[in-house]
Amino acid sequence: AQSVSQHNHHVILSEAASLELGCNYSYGGTVNLFWYVQYPGQHLQLLLKYFSGDPLVKGIKGFEAEFIKSKFSFNLRKPSVQWSDTAEYFCAVIGSGYSTLTFGKGTMLLVSP
Amino acid sequence: DTEVTQTPKHLVMGMTNKKSLKCEQHMGHRAMYWYKQKAKKPPELMFVYSYEKLSINESVPSRFSPECPNSSLLNLHLHALQPEDSALYLCASSQARADSSYNEQFFGPGTRLTVL
Repeated sequence: AQSVSQHNHHVILSEAASLELGCNYSYGGTVNLFWYVQYPGQHLQLLLKYFSGDPLVKGIKGFEAEFIKSKFSFNLRKPSVQWSDTAEYFCAVIGSGYSTLTFGKGTMLLVSP
Repeated sequence: DTEVTQTPKHLVMGMTNKKSLKCEQHMGHRAMYWYKQKAKKPPELMFVYSYEKLSINESVPSRFSPECPNSSLLNLHLHALQPEDSALYLCASSQARADSSYNEQFFGPGTRLTVL
């Protein structure tokens, strides 16, 4: 079975601080990995995705993530967060042979101005 | 057009009402999904349609009834709901290839449902 674990349920940062949100998945085969963001009261938006190739993936709004196969990880990073990055962040995986996404429980990021 | 649209945006209904949620996409996707999302929780998969046929039903109560009238439309019919069914209902679509590498899901904005 495929599963996703997000390390932190809540993260509080000051503006300009660097961000790293942890995501580990459990699946033995080929995976596709995603980070979604959900701003307060809004719908899910795709931040970035990894299908294959370069394990360092760049997404929208200055976010990036690195796929480390040996660690089963896909951590999300941003060098300098802004107040507008306050949102819920979900990591998700779909493994080969599966047809549905599995989401992590989410990490609530609060950025103070 | 890379958009999934959902109507209505908000819906308030009583426990004896019958209502429907609608979802539409024009990306040529042949897989469509319904998710339920409670506040501060991840989306939970409810149903999957593949080529207009129901392929996955995640043990959803019968008071939720999905329908896929054609390849662009997905409905969720609601009847005799409970207050705990209040949530954000998300629709998504994707290509339906067997190779999951191409099955990126595109999400709609959701319908925020309140059951009184």
